[in-house]
Amino acid sequence: AQSVTQLDSQVPVFEEAPVELRCNYSSSVSVYLFWYVQYPNQGLQLLLKYLSGSTLVKGINGFEAEFNKSQTSFHLRKPSVHISDTAEYFCAVSDPGGTSYGKLTFGQGTILTVHP
Amino acid sequence: DGGITQSPKYLFRKEGQNVTLSCEQNLNHDAMYWYRQDPGQGLRLIYYSQIVNDFQKGDIAEGYSVSREKKESFPLTVTSAQKNPTAFYLCASSPPRLRGTDTQYFGPGTRLTVL
Repeated sequence: AQSVTQLDSQVPVFEEAPVELRCNYSSSVSVYLFWYVQYPNQGLQLLLKYLSGSTLVKGINGFEAEFNKSQTSFHLRKPSVHISDTAEYFCAVSDPGGTSYGKLTFGQGTILTVHP
Repeated sequence: DGGITQSPKYLFRKEGQNVTLSCEQNLNHDAMYWYRQDPGQGLRLIYYSQIVNDFQKGDIAEGYSVSREKKESFPLTVTSAQKNPTAFYLCASSPPRLRGTDTQYFGPGTRLTVL
C-alpha cells in the first residue's frame, strides 16, 4: 500500500521569502506524483505533476518540485512567495502500474501562510 | 467551458435525514471520484467509478451510496447510517488511463452541515 507524509502541517513565511513544502512517500513500485493547491472553500487545483523523465518539474504560479527516488521525496519549492500563495497544499501519489484505476493517495496537507 | 460542477455549495440537513450531493462533468472523463475532507486529515476516498453502471468502494464507504447511470453524473447519497456526516465533499474526474496519467480534476466542493 502507498502512503504520503507531508512533514509540516503549517508553514508560516514572510512575503518574498523562499519556501519549501516537504513530501515523502512510501511505495514498492514506481509512482506518479502530484501537488495540488486548495484555496479556502474551493476545490483542488493541480500545481504540477511528475510522471517520468526530468526529476525537476515546473508548475504554475512559479512553483517547482524535485523528485528524489532514493529519498522517496517530492518537495515543493518557490523562490519568492506572494500573499496570494496563502492556501493549503496537498501532495499525492498514484501507482501507474496498478489495477486501481487512477486512484490517488493524498497527504494530510500543509497550510502555507504568507505574512506581509 | 469544460469542468466539474457540484451543487449545492452549502447544504444543511437535520440528523437522520438522507441527502444527495450532485456532481456533473462535461470533460468526457471516464472515471469519477468522491472524497471527504476533514481538517488535518487530507482527502479520503469514499467511492469511485471507472465506467458507467460500475463503481467501487473507497477507504470510507460506510454510510454512503452512489450511482453512475450516466457518464456525466456521479451523485453521492449521505445516508442516516453515516455517523459523522458534517464535512467538505469533493468530486473529481480523470481521463482514460491509457493516456498515461492519473491526473484528477476537482469540482468546487459541497459543504454539508448536519444539525
